Amino acid sequence: EPEVTQTPSHQVTQMGQEVILRCVPISNHLYFYWYRQILGQKVEFLVSFYNNEISEKSEIFDDQFSVERPDGSNFTLKIRSTKLEDSAMYFCASSVSGIAKNIQYFGAGTRLSVL
Amino acid sequence: DQQVKQNSPSLSVQEGRISILNCDYTNSMFDYFLWYKKYPAEGPTFLISISSIKDKNEDGRFTVFLNKSAKHLSLHIVPSQPGDSAVYFCAASGYGNAGKSTFGDGTTLTVKP
Repeated sequence: EPEVTQTPSHQVTQMGQEVILRCVPISNHLYFYWYRQILGQKVEFLVSFYNNEISEKSEIFDDQFSVERPDGSNFTLKIRSTKLEDSAMYFCASSVSGIAKNIQYFGAGTRLSVL
Repeated sequence: DQQVKQNSPSLSVQEGRISILNCDYTNSMFDYFLWYKKYPAEGPTFLISISSIKDKNEDGRFTVFLNKSAKHLSLHIVPSQPGDSAVYFCAASGYGNAGKSTFGDGTTLTVKP
């Protein structure tokens, strides 16, 4: 069964460093998303991406964040200068289309620990 | 502004009995609702969904009920099994928001053998 894969599973970084979280969405999917879950809190939407541009982003997704689809398979989330409060699980998701009823398939997540 | 709320952080039921998980929402623009299940160290997995034009959707042991006037939905699991023990997230999305889903806080279901 096709699945969304995320690497690494755990990323440890020093505050102020740049990190890139990587995702390989399901191959025939066209919409891509990043969500995060701070420990003990809800899953929060960060950004959606379609046709090589951001469709929507949340207030959390400030100038420190960027997304890119550098080739035909990868979808990346970059945090330019990490802060302690960026420590969270980051989930990538993809869907066939962007309509409301479309199911999003999630990866297993990358745990980001900012020290 | 918490648009999707799951007021019960945890629920414990006996194997074979019914599990009822509840979710409330405030945004009238939501027109599609989904339930996701999440095991530790895994991402959320889609379970069942319902469109706002329906009031019930059933899939095997799982049934979702939607009460639009009350802005309330519930997930029923019958009969509950120990393998159902997980965190259940209610999520909502609306037309024109590029598929973005707004999640509730989650309810941890424990099914005891």
